[in-house]
Amino acid sequence: GQQLNQSPQSMFIQEGEDVSMNCTSSSIFNTWLWYKQDPGEGPVLLIALYKAGELTSNGRLTAQFGITRKDSFLNISASIPSDVGIYFCAGQLTNQGGKLIFGQGTELSVKP
Amino acid sequence: DVKVTQSSRYLVKRTGEKVFLECVQDMDHENMFWYRQDPGLGLRLIYFSYDVKMKEKGDIPEGYSVSREKKERFSLILESASTNQTSMYLCASEGIFYEQYFGPGTRLTVT
Repeated sequence: GQQLNQSPQSMFIQEGEDVSMNCTSSSIFNTWLWYKQDPGEGPVLLIALYKAGELTSNGRLTAQFGITRKDSFLNISASIPSDVGIYFCAGQLTNQGGKLIFGQGTELSVKP
Repeated sequence: DVKVTQSSRYLVKRTGEKVFLECVQDMDHENMFWYRQDPGLGLRLIYFSYDVKMKEKGDIPEGYSVSREKKERFSLILESASTNQTSMYLCASEGIFYEQYFGPGTRLTVT
């Protein structure tokens, strides 16, 4: 079945540093979504991307829909302790919505 | 803001019990989903529904059923709970741009 390869699996950074993570696949996606999940909570939608090449920001977060439509990137600038959590990418293969394919997540730890 | 609520945050049930997990969304969304999340396995789709009384199997429907009698409510049913169904259960509702919004999750333990 379709798979999303998300990397890195975990990151330990100092407060104030920038963070970058990505998802790649052999499949072409029509939509990319990025989520953050805190322990014991449901994922929260951060950014949604709909067009190849699209670059979208949400505060200190910036995500891009890769030109090939097979990858996506999430950057966090000037990290703060509350950025701690697990970040997931998710892609939709069809242009009709529906089933999401999830990455395995990137666990971010921020040292004050 | 989209609001997806789940009936319980934590639930402990015994093996063989029938378990109902309820999810409600307040945005008149057509599509709703049930996932389970397990360490090392990520999020896996159990069932989804694209309209009232309509349902589709996801990747792991065995041991589960669903009910969608009203548009805003999507229920997941464990007919006879087993210990391998101990998991975090997440409901999601799909917006008009196909983005999915998740509820807070239900941590189910089956003993």
